[in-house]
Amino acid sequence: NAGVTQTPKFQVLKTGQSMTLQCAQDMNHNSMYWYRQDPGMGLRLIYYSASEGTTDKGEVPNGYNVSRLNKREFSLRLESAAPSQTSVYFCASSPRTSGANEQFFGPGTRLTVL
Amino acid sequence: RKEVEQDPGPFNVPEGATVAFNCTYSNSASQSFFWYRQDCRKEPKLLMSVYSSGNEDGRFTAQLNRASQYISLLIRDSKLSDSATYLCVVKATGNNRLAFGKGNQVVVIP
Repeated sequence: NAGVTQTPKFQVLKTGQSMTLQCAQDMNHNSMYWYRQDPGMGLRLIYYSASEGTTDKGEVPNGYNVSRLNKREFSLRLESAAPSQTSVYFCASSPRTSGANEQFFGPGTRLTVL
Repeated sequence: RKEVEQDPGPFNVPEGATVAFNCTYSNSASQSFFWYRQDCRKEPKLLMSVYSSGNEDGRFTAQLNRASQYISLLIRDSKLSDSATYLCVVKATGNNRLAFGKGNQVVVIP
């Protein structure tokens, strides 16, 4: 049982490049989330998927798109990367759609945009 | 006003001592409260949920004060392994998302 996995672990992009961050969970959880964490800012929600087939914007969605491919997988895409998107990205999942209980986090992707 | 506010610290604590810190939240409709622990360059992990009556898990005690809209975490007999950042997390009723504080950094000194 791997929990929440994320790929890649590290990535360096040039401004304007695109990439997709992958996330998968093997806990049969309904809800999945994408966060970014910046120094002094705490975790901020980018997008979430309360259940398979639905996605909603979080606090900072601009510049990102998501796809809930199936119950297991939730990807985050940067269409045209900007230096302001340099951050650590965490994917998380939760058993219930309300997200009221524990969220399990992946190990994170450290992204640098030059 | 930020949804969840924490004093980032660092809180430098001698090994074996007690440390306590608070977190304030702005939304009076908040119903679920948690403390997460995050080690350096790692992902956050749930430390404990915070219940209205307060709860204890070994050396860790969490309290909720709804009237003043804050939660607290107390760590007794601090160990070197307690060095981490402790994130205060709040969820409001009818909201599918969690709001995270910036964290309280604890450094336990030998």
